[in-house]
Amino acid sequence: GQQVQQSPASLVLQEGENAELQCNFSSTATQLQWFYQSPGGSLVSLLSNPSGTKHTGRLTSTTVTKERRSSLHISSSQTTDSGTYLCAIHSGYNKLTFGKGTVLLVSP
Amino acid sequence: EAAVTQSPRSKVAVTGGKVTLSCHQTNNHDYMYWYRQDTGHGLRLIHYSYVADSTEKGDIPDGYKASRPSQENFSLILELASLSQTAVYFCASSLTGGSQNTLYFGAGTRLSVL
Repeated sequence: GQQVQQSPASLVLQEGENAELQCNFSSTATQLQWFYQSPGGSLVSLLSNPSGTKHTGRLTSTTVTKERRSSLHISSSQTTDSGTYLCAIHSGYNKLTFGKGTVLLVSP
Repeated sequence: EAAVTQSPRSKVAVTGGKVTLSCHQTNNHDYMYWYRQDTGHGLRLIHYSYVADSTEKGDIPDGYKASRPSQENFSLILELASLSQTAVYFCASSLTGGSQNTLYFGAGTRLSVL
């Protein structure tokens, strides 16, 4: 089945630094989504990006479909960005396959 | 704002006991899902439903049953809870099942089976 690999597993930054998160997937994806999970909390969809580049606020996602990879760039990180970032692929109708996530810690 | 409410937020159960996790959505969404999250595994789909009175198996349905008595409510049932079912469980809903849809997640239920 579809596999989703995320790297790094964890990342520690100082406030103001930029973050680069990677997602690699094993087969063609019709849709790729990035989610944010607050510490001990629920998941919120950040953006959907099956191909190309998309921006929202301080977030930029670039997906190269033929290379089966996507990245999420967070500019000027803030302490409130701390949490887990999950990449998910639509691997069939109704089904999302998630990666294990990247845990981001932004210190003041 | 879409709303998905799970209850209870946490539960301790004994091995072999019956556990029911409940989910209620006020989004008027057709699709509802149950995922479990474990350290080292990420989120995995257990069951989902696209219409009341019907449920479908996800990737890891063994040991779980689901019930969708109405569009708004979706339950996950562990008839004989086991230690391996200790995890955080998330319910989610979406308007349709297509890849363009956003999933809205509940706050999660932390289940500990002892």
